[in-house]
Amino acid sequence: RKEVEQDPGPFNVPEGATVAFNCTYSNSASQSFFWYRQDCRKEPKLLMSVYSSGNEDGRFTAQLNRASQYISLLIRDSKLSDSATYLCVVLTYGGATNKLIFGTGTLLAVQP
Amino acid sequence: DAMVIQNPRYQVTQFGKPVTLSCSQTLNHNVMYWYQQKSSQAPKLLFHYYDKDFNNEADTPDNFQSRRPNTSFCFLDIRSPGLGDAAMYLCATSRPGTVNQPQHFGDGTRLSIL
Repeated sequence: RKEVEQDPGPFNVPEGATVAFNCTYSNSASQSFFWYRQDCRKEPKLLMSVYSSGNEDGRFTAQLNRASQYISLLIRDSKLSDSATYLCVVLTYGGATNKLIFGTGTLLAVQP
Repeated sequence: DAMVIQNPRYQVTQFGKPVTLSCSQTLNHNVMYWYQQKSSQAPKLLFHYYDKDFNNEADTPDNFQSRRPNTSFCFLDIRSPGLGDAAMYLCATSRPGTVNQPQHFGDGTRLSIL
């Protein structure tokens, strides 16, 4: 079983749609959680951190359920510019250094 | 301003010819990481440095080596690149021991093997 698993995708949605991505992780000792966005042939960029209480940043809402080891990302009112791969990332604190484990990503294609 | 800088952006080398990729940072972070990302796959951690302490992932091939001469610079050396080593190589930095502190990535170096 992979340490971080995501929806297989790809997701093809029209502009203005609401889309949700899910992610599960296997290491219950994981401490921090992030969503990264990666455009084609570019580096991953932090989209948002994910907190137990849930957090929102404009059109983006992230949720964490530690009991179920489940993370979600909701994008409202999708824009063409949201087209990218969304990576679910789990951080485990290893003493002095942190280790990021990436999911394989879910491709989102927003259609005009 | 770029804070994690990788050079070159694109690198082409011949099968078996050693190649070095470089990474520099202006963040003064203690920890530097090297990832390998192949097409349609997640970034895979190769190794990381905490200051001068080197930590190799168990499944990183011996073909991959790294050097960190100072806080700002870190190098990835591929001693004898094979066709399977063609990938994007990502450098990242972070502060140590801080939960919820994400890593900062460079733009990556795309390596092609002829």
